[in-house]
Amino acid sequence: DQQVKQNSPSLSVQEGRISILNCDYTNSMFDYFLWYKKYPAEGPTFLISISSIKDKNEDGRFTVFLNKSAKHLSLHIVPSQPGDSAVYFCAASAWRSQGNLIFGKGTKLSVKP
Amino acid sequence: EAQVTQNPRYLITVTGKKLTVTCSQNMNHEYMSWYRQDPGLGLRQIYYSMNVEVTDKGDVPEGYKVSRKEKRNFPLILESPSPNQTSLYFCASSSIPGPRFPSYEQYFGPGTRLTVT
Repeated sequence: DQQVKQNSPSLSVQEGRISILNCDYTNSMFDYFLWYKKYPAEGPTFLISISSIKDKNEDGRFTVFLNKSAKHLSLHIVPSQPGDSAVYFCAASAWRSQGNLIFGKGTKLSVKP
Repeated sequence: EAQVTQNPRYLITVTGKKLTVTCSQNMNHEYMSWYRQDPGLGLRQIYYSMNVEVTDKGDVPEGYKVSRKEKRNFPLILESPSPNQTSLYFCASSSIPGPRFPSYEQYFGPGTRLTVT
């Protein structure tokens, strides 16, 4: 059973507009959530994270929102740039899981000039 | 430069021929992990290690072995590879999560693309 779900395999956005990537989870024990970005032929790289005690975390153009009651988080990229085109993975972890991450299937973002 | 290295980057082999994919990190991280990425399935954990001589199974450990004899190295061993192990493999490392380490950020290697015919 998939514990972390990214239901949109792909997303296309115009440069300068907002990109919103969504992620849902089922395990209420998750207490830390992360977004990773992956370019072709490279390993995933950490982008931004949020603890379950917060509902928002911002880092430059990237903001992650967490809605615990809905078990939903989203990544907002504003403004989107062509260099943001990549696959974005949502990941979650529970303290008791010793830091093991459960990943979603990923969403491929294409930002068109 | 802080990094996780994997070798080889690409490997084509035949069914049943034992192989090892090496992973090394230079960040003195306690935690290391192996993942495989398959189309439509995302990243799935194979094995992980909390420290030297401490390893445990992830979600898809069947057909794989690991060892952690040194802190910096975490090789992935396929004793008898099969075609269903054709995949893209990633090694990752991080410091141990805890009150002093609020981030679960893992550093990933560049990946090893394995094809088993």
